[in-house]
Amino acid sequence: GAGVSQTPSNKVTEKGKYVELRCDPISGHTALYWYRQSLGQGPEFLIYFQGTGAADDSGLPNDRFFAVRPEGSVSTLKIQRTERGDSAVYLCASSLMGDGDEQFFGPGTRLTVL
Amino acid sequence: GENVEQHPSTLSVQEGDSAVIKCTYSDSASNYFPWYKQELGKRPQLIIDIRSNVGEKKDQRIAVTLNKTAKHFSLHITETQPEDSAVYFCAASMTGTASKLTFGTGTRLQVTL
Repeated sequence: GAGVSQTPSNKVTEKGKYVELRCDPISGHTALYWYRQSLGQGPEFLIYFQGTGAADDSGLPNDRFFAVRPEGSVSTLKIQRTERGDSAVYLCASSLMGDGDEQFFGPGTRLTVL
Repeated sequence: GENVEQHPSTLSVQEGDSAVIKCTYSDSASNYFPWYKQELGKRPQLIIDIRSNVGEKKDQRIAVTLNKTAKHFSLHITETQPEDSAVYFCAASMTGTASKLTFGTGTRLQVTL
């Protein structure tokens, strides 16, 4: 079946703008994770959904970042008032149950804030 | 929270030689340790993982060892091939609601002919 998909693959925006990044997890996976990867670094956790609810949002850097998963499938990461420091690759991952299962990553969205 | 350290940051080996990458973690409650391979511009892909109830796991040329007492785990690649060249990340997590992965900083492996 299809893997995790993310859109757009690239997003260029101007400082102060609002952006939305979308993640389509593997069908049937109840757990969904967002990570952020800066150049030369490992992925850094942002938020974890179990079904529709955010089970752990401790990685969101500030209140400009918000994520939703209203129907327990597709998720959207929303960033308000973007800053140049938000530039990174945003990775989404899903797993079957979220309980130490393998996490399958999407290709990422490369966000560039000018 | 969990902290994962990874060494070395870069590693160059000749084709056919072995490569070893080491990681340490801080939270003794962590019980799941995956290793991901990431090629340039691509997504991370799981290559092997180990849980805290075993000390070693092997899959063809790849093996992982875990020392819970010392809180460190290692990736071993034998008979390296040019296609093994990539960045490798170790990670640690717990089961349940704390299942987020905490990653190391990565090791760039270069396999030369």
